[in-house]
Amino acid sequence: LAKTTQPISMDSYEGQEVNITCSHNNIATNDYITWYQQFPSQGPRFIIQGYKTKVTNEVASLFIPADRKSSTLSLPRVSLSDTAVYYCLVTDKLIFGTGTRLQVFP
Amino acid sequence: DADVTQTPRNRITKTGKRIMLECSQTKGHDRMYWYRQDPGLGLRLIYYSFDVKDINKGEISDGYSVSRQAQAKFSLSLESAIPNQTALYFCATSDGGLNAEQYFGPGTRLTVT
Repeated sequence: LAKTTQPISMDSYEGQEVNITCSHNNIATNDYITWYQQFPSQGPRFIIQGYKTKVTNEVASLFIPADRKSSTLSLPRVSLSDTAVYYCLVTDKLIFGTGTRLQVFP
Repeated sequence: DADVTQTPRNRITKTGKRIMLECSQTKGHDRMYWYRQDPGLGLRLIYYSFDVKDINKGEISDGYSVSRQAQAKFSLSLESAIPNQTALYFCATSDGGLNAEQYFGPGTRLTVT
């Protein structure tokens, strides 16, 4: 079962780059790595997905090493509105895990 | 996401009552999911459906049942509600395979007293 491990919480300041790492040692060959963002009392929202190496979109970058046992979500120049919970999902059995609570301070 | 709606948005019920949570989507997706979220915890999968004739148990299906009435509708039932089913419930939809992006509804806050 492809479970993930993430830090429970992280703090940052506006304008800084934030990197959140997720461990997924039992990832299967066919699995992708997907990250979601969730604000309080809202449903999660897709941020980015990747299989290997690096993926970048207008919101974030995702770095995946060759062994694919971990991945890092990178948020450039965070703002207060990036305060949320971030989930790393390995699409095996749709297990979200507990996520990382990011708090961005002024 | 307005394309995925959930009713009711809030519900308070008593122990032992039967309750149904409904989810509708206009995205034309084949796949639908029900999750629950408890304070401080992540989302846990209850049931999922890949098409109208397909129903699968998730991580925590005990105490719940589902019905996929149509491609656009997926209902979650608690046959006899108990207090530890108090949680925030989310419906989600996706197209394609398991790796497809999921679109979540606004959630239903259920309280069982």
